[in-house]
Amino acid sequence: DIQMTQSPSSLSASIGDRVTITCRASQNINGYLNWYQQKPGKAPKLLIYLASTLQSGVPSRLSGSGSGTEFTLTISSLQPEDFATYHCQQSYGVPWTFGQGTKVEIK
Amino acid sequence: QVQLVQSEAEVKKPGASVKVSCKASGYTFTAYYIHWVRQAPGQGLQWMGRINPTTGGTSYAQKFQDRVTMTRDTSITTAYMELSRLRSDDTAVYFCARSDEGEDWFDPWGQGTLVTVSS
Repeated sequence: DIQMTQSPSSLSASIGDRVTITCRASQNINGYLNWYQQKPGKAPKLLIYLASTLQSGVPSRLSGSGSGTEFTLTISSLQPEDFATYHCQQSYGVPWTFGQGTKVEIK
Repeated sequence: QVQLVQSEAEVKKPGASVKVSCKASGYTFTAYYIHWVRQAPGQGLQWMGRINPTTGGTSYAQKFQDRVTMTRDTSITTAYMELSRLRSDDTAVYFCARSDEGEDWFDPWGQGTLVTVSS
């Protein structure tokens, strides 16, 4: 199975901060990397697919980049609604696997 | 709007089975795959498998291969996930989610169904 590792596991940030979350795959996944946001007690919500394509309705302050085995999710200016847990997922090979999640908390 | 609505929470004893439903609306049910993903308390997301509603064909993660069965009823646009021989570590929220064929990212997701396994 392809292992996905996110860093950091959690971070504290302030409104307006730039935040970057990293996701590393145990092998080359050719850009088949997706990002989700999950708030407590809710289902995940798709943010970005294929490493950098923003899902419809997702604000442009979020962006994704990367290739090969290393990918990043960036929030350019953190807003109150961005405090949540973020998950990466590879869709290169079955079984589809997720990172362990990164919790973004208010400083 | 596209929506997946899941069945209510369940409490089961070890060794029992549970069947969770996922009712789809707002789109052509047979045009998209349905996946099942679970999340144990405080843990990450784990993909369990998926079903092609058109053919009924399934693909399961090896970890669940011998205990999970995914089915669908196209007449009521509903997918099901049945997990047998439950253990305490199967306690989790179970989500269904939609994907297009060949595009294995998940959108939208159902609201989740909490399955608690306890004696």
